[in-house]
Amino acid sequence: SAVISQKPSRDICQRGTSLTIQCQVDSQVTMMFWYRQQPGQSLTLIATANQGSEATYESGFVIDKFPISRPNLTFSTLTVSNMSPEDSSIYLCSVEGGEQGSDTQYFGPGTRLTVL
Amino acid sequence: GDSVTQMEGPVTLSEEAFLTINCTYTATGYPSLFWYVQYPGEGLQLLLKATKADDKGSNKGFEATYRKETTSFHLEKGSVQVSDSAVYFCALSEKGAGNMLTFGGGTRLMVKP
Repeated sequence: SAVISQKPSRDICQRGTSLTIQCQVDSQVTMMFWYRQQPGQSLTLIATANQGSEATYESGFVIDKFPISRPNLTFSTLTVSNMSPEDSSIYLCSVEGGEQGSDTQYFGPGTRLTVL
Repeated sequence: GDSVTQMEGPVTLSEEAFLTINCTYTATGYPSLFWYVQYPGEGLQLLLKATKADDKGSNKGFEATYRKETTSFHLEKGSVQVSDSAVYFCALSEKGAGNMLTFGGGTRLMVKP
């Protein structure tokens, strides 16, 4: 399976600032996904990012708040803009594919964000 | 739309006890089914999967069978260890939906020595 890394692993930020999270994969992948996991909750898909096209956002998430870049087939960034304490969550990227098939997603270690 | 329902936790067991975590799903087509595990402070790891009815996924002593008639994918392990303490997520992926994952709420398992 793909090896996925995320930076930063955790951060503590002030209200009103923005944070950009990086996701790096060790192989080329078509689709990358960004999820949010609020404290004690399950995962919610934020958006799907394909290289060379605009990200597709799920209901309740907008590009102005969560802009995404996908400059090549191994890298993506998610920015959490104008943060508030409600944005405190773990943010995870994932990719699909690998030896288990294209219907299987593999996750990065996550970025734990705390907004004060 | 698609949905996944898991038993609420926490589930607390003694070491070597038998584990069952129930998972049922609603889907319009024929989804693939997954169990992911999240150890404390870590991301999600794929535990096992099944892609069609009556398939059994297995890994690390855990098993789950894709039951189309009951729309279930219950996770079982015959003898749990303290190291199995984690949060377990059941999920499904519909082939016609861009392989988007739909997750259950997660079940926290605590195994005591």
